[in-house]
Amino acid sequence: DIQLTQSPSTLSASVGDRVIITCRASQSINIWLAWFQQKPGKAPKLLMYKASSLESGVPSRFSGSGSGTEFTLTISSLQPDDFATYYCQQYSSYEWTFGQGTKVEIK
Amino acid sequence: QVQLVQSGPDLKRPGASVKVSCEASGFTFTEYYMHWVRQAPGQGLEWMGWINLNTGDTNYAQRFQGRVTMTRDTSLSTAYMDLRRLRSDDTAIYYCARKYVEGGYSLDYWGQGNLVTVSS
Repeated sequence: DIQLTQSPSTLSASVGDRVIITCRASQSINIWLAWFQQKPGKAPKLLMYKASSLESGVPSRFSGSGSGTEFTLTISSLQPDDFATYYCQQYSSYEWTFGQGTKVEIK
Repeated sequence: QVQLVQSGPDLKRPGASVKVSCEASGFTFTEYYMHWVRQAPGQGLEWMGWINLNTGDTNYAQRFQGRVTMTRDTSLSTAYMDLRRLRSDDTAIYYCARKYVEGGYSLDYWGQGNLVTVSS
């Protein structure tokens, strides 16, 4: 199955910072990558799909890019509501997989 | 509005089975897949498989093959996930999440999650 590796695992940042999270796939997944945000005790929330398509209702400070094996999620100006754990997820193969997660903490 | 409402928490003994339900409303049930994802305490997300809510076709993650069965009842707009031969490391929150059958979308609505605890 396709492995996804996120970096960093933990990120400390301040409100207003630009934050970039990277997701690398063990083989090409074209653009079939999604990003999710999860807060403690809550279900994940879809942010991006097809690598760079913003899900309806998600603030425009979130953006995604990449194709093939390397992808990024960028938060242009971190807001208090953005402190959470972020997961990438590939849906290129029949066996879907998630990255291990990146926790964005308050600096 | 779209809702996926899952059944309540479960406590099971090792070796037993659990069946988690996911009742859908607010959308056309048969136009979607239902995926199941689990999350062990303090851990990441683990994809388990999907069921096509129209045809009933299924696709399971290899590690759950032979232990999991996903079904649906279109008359009740409800999907089910049955996991057998439970072990302590199956203790997790189990989520259902829908995906539109066409296009390159991912899991846009999720259930609230269902904690399954496996303990003797």
